[in-house]
Formats: sequence, C-alpha cells, structure tokens
Amino acid sequence: LAKTTQPISMDSYEGQEVNITCSHNNIATNDYITWYQQFPSQGPRFIIQGYKTKVTNEVASLFIPADRKSSTLSLPRVSLSDTAVYYCLVGRLYSGSARQLTFGSGTQLTVLP
Amino acid sequence: DADVTQTPRNRITKTGKRIMLECSQTKGHDRMYWYRQDPGLGLRLIYYSFDVKDINKGEISDGYSVSRQAQAKFSLSLESAIPNQTALYFCATSDWTGPPLGGETQYFGPGTRLLVL
Repeated sequence: LAKTTQPISMDSYEGQEVNITCSHNNIATNDYITWYQQFPSQGPRFIIQGYKTKVTNEVASLFIPADRKSSTLSLPRVSLSDTAVYYCLVGRLYSGSARQLTFGSGTQLTVLP
Repeated sequence: DADVTQTPRNRITKTGKRIMLECSQTKGHDRMYWYRQDPGLGLRLIYYSFDVKDINKGEISDGYSVSRQAQAKFSLSLESAIPNQTALYFCATSDWTGPPLGGETQYFGPGTRLLVL
C-alpha cells in the first residue's frame, strides 16, 4: 500500500514561492504522482501530475527526484487566493481496472498579506 | 466542477436508515469514483467503476454499496447508516492520460455532507 506523508500546514507571504513536499517512500515503479488543490466547501481540483523528473504547467511545477520517494509541488509567487489545502496522490495501476489511489492527509497553505 | 453534480448536497439521517447519494456527470468519462473525506485523514476511496459492468472496491468499501446505472450516473448507498459514516462524500470522474505517464486526472463534484445521528 502506497503511503504518503505531507506537512499539516504551511504559512507564506504574498509573492513568495512555496514548496510543499510529499513523502512516498514505498512508491512502486509504475506509480504516478498527482497534486490537487481544495478550497472550503468544494471538491479537490487537479493542479499537476508527473512520473519522474520535472513537470511544469501554467500554475505550478512538480519536482520528482530520481528515487521518486518524494515529490515537491512548487507554487511561484503565491497570492491570497492560493490559500487552500493541497493534497498529494499516489496512483497505482494494476492489471485490468484495478487501482489503488492513496491521498495524503493534506497540507493547509495559508498565504498572508 | 459543474460537470460533476452530486445530490443531495447535505443530508441528515438516523442510525439504521438506508440512504443513497447520487452523482451525475456530463464530461463523457467512463471512470467514476466515490470518496469520503474526514478531517485530518484526507480522501479515502470507497468504490470505483470503469464502465457500467465494472465495479471495484476501494480502500474502505465495508458498509457501502454502489450502482452504476449508466455511463453518466454512479450512486452510493449506505444500507444501514451508522454515526461513524458521518463525513463529506465526493464523487469524481477521470480521463486517462495513458503511457508513458499512465496517470488519471480526476474531476470532483462539490460533495455531499452527511450527518448520521
């Protein structure tokens, strides 16, 4: 069973870069990593996904070291509206339709003015 | 995401009652999921379905059942509700990224807040 660990909370100031790290020590070869953002009273929303090395999109970057035992979500120049809970997900694919989807317990990011 | 809807949004029920939570999607995805969210525990997978004939148990399926009535509809039932099933329930759909990443992007509904007294 893939287990993920994230910091419970982080504070940052507007305009700063924020890095949130997720540990997944027993990640398997074909597991993929996804990060989601959740605001109060809403469902999680996809941010970024990767398998190895670095992935970048218009809102974030995802850094995955060679051993893949951790991943770091990087949010450049955060604003107050980035205050949310961020979840790391490790997805494991088995044969056929079998899946194992393990969410971390989430990191509450608070952006201060 | 407005493409994934859940009904009801809030529900209060009593121990022992049977209730059904419904999920509908207009994204055209074959894959649908049910999760529960508890404070401090993140999201845990209850059931998932990859088409109307495919139902799979997730991490915490005991006490729950599901029905995939059509590609667009996936219902979650609590046969005999108990207080520790009080939680926030999310439905999600996904598309398939495929090789080499092999990942799935999930799209979540707004959630159903359930209170079992």
